[in-house]
Amino acid sequence: QSALTQPPSASGSPGQSVTISCTGTSSDVGNYNYVSWYQQHPGKAPKLMIYEVSKRPSGVPDRFSGSKSGNTASLTVSGLQAEDEADYYCSSYAGSYYVFGTGTKVTVL
Amino acid sequence: QVQLQESGPGLVKPSGTLSLTCAVSGGSISSSNWWSWVRQPPGKGLEWIGEIYHSGTTNYNPSLKSRVTISVDKSKNHFSLKLSSVTAADTAVYYCAREGPDAEFHYWGQGTLVTVSS
Repeated sequence: QSALTQPPSASGSPGQSVTISCTGTSSDVGNYNYVSWYQQHPGKAPKLMIYEVSKRPSGVPDRFSGSKSGNTASLTVSGLQAEDEADYYCSSYAGSYYVFGTGTKVTVL
Repeated sequence: QVQLQESGPGLVKPSGTLSLTCAVSGGSISSSNWWSWVRQPPGKGLEWIGEIYHSGTTNYNPSLKSRVTISVDKSKNHFSLKLSSVTAADTAVYYCAREGPDAEFHYWGQGTLVTVSS
């Protein structure tokens, strides 16, 4: 039950796009379409941004999109805005338990 | 709108037991949802601890299973976490969360910092 692997950091200028990967195994990401993504600002609780690989909860801008191929899921933030600067975590169901990613700090340059 | 609020001691002695409660408002703990605990050590990532259904059925993180107990009190509309034999490595912000039907953590409490220290 190791953590899913994410790059430690990613960055982009306002208006640009950034994509974050989340690599697991055939026991979690590769076996279930229950991958979700969370945004966390400093000192705040995580906020759900994407669920079931690519679905957006009500209120989340369509600048946020998700996808999956094999054992790797991805989150893309298009049209970067200053308020997108935060930590992002992926999560996957793994059959009676959950595993989170290592986290990626997104910086808006 | 469902709201969750964690409560419990902010300081626990090493080898002791960490006990937290998550009060649910704006919804019933007996709804068709699972309820989870997630923690985050200072400056580190998120770790899922375990979950409970209102029937009392539980699932735990295999790495913590031997020390974790999650219970539910439907009369008080809350669920609780007990983590035994704590060490400094258990120092973290502890969050409670409600899961959605697609294995997502949709609602979160604000989190509570628990420090393990003598």
